[in-house]
Amino acid sequence: NAGVTQTPKFQVLKTGQSMTLQCAQDMNHEYMSWYRQDPGMGLRLIHYSVGAGITDQGEVPNGYNVSRSTTEDFPLRLLSAAPSQTSVYFCASSTSRTTNEKLFFGSGTQLSVL
Amino acid sequence: SQQGEEDPQALSIQEGENATMNCSYKTSINNLQWYRQNSGRGLVHLILIRSNEREKHSGRLRVTLDTSKKSSSLLITASRAADTASYFCATGPAGDSGSRLTFGEGTQLTVNP
Repeated sequence: NAGVTQTPKFQVLKTGQSMTLQCAQDMNHEYMSWYRQDPGMGLRLIHYSVGAGITDQGEVPNGYNVSRSTTEDFPLRLLSAAPSQTSVYFCASSTSRTTNEKLFFGSGTQLSVL
Repeated sequence: SQQGEEDPQALSIQEGENATMNCSYKTSINNLQWYRQNSGRGLVHLILIRSNEREKHSGRLRVTLDTSKKSSSLLITASRAADTASYFCATGPAGDSGSRLTFGEGTQLTVNP
């Protein structure tokens, strides 16, 4: 099993560009989520999903869109990138629809917006 | 705002010593989890303790939970250079759908050989 796979690992964007960060898991997990990690601020939840067709906002959803058409995939879309979105992005999944079980993390995407 | 707050922010010890990190949180929880992050890598789950548990062990790790004080501690015994990493606590909220796991800002542990 590959676990949680994120692509790309690194990305540089110009302000105003759009892009999609990909996340896929092969563990048949219902719960998937996106976090961003900034220096000195820990991880902050952007969006999460408790199953195909179901998504909800986290703590910092502005500027990001998500969809969940399959159990395996949970892409994160930046519609118009801003320098404030420079961060490391992590996708995570869990067997549980709630937070009562551990999260499995991907290796992250380092995004720079110039 | 962050639910969990780790203390200290940074900790430097010698190999073989014990390392203790603390986590405080503000609201009622269903469970508290600890994760490790090696530099430039994703987070790895270490241990989960539920709100009705007071202590849990896993190998060289010992976690305690005091719900009356809204605090938890992670003890790593007989530390090794390979334990050098950032350690995060994360809380699963009680009372709602419980779908939002909230992370603290982490403790950077350095174990010197």
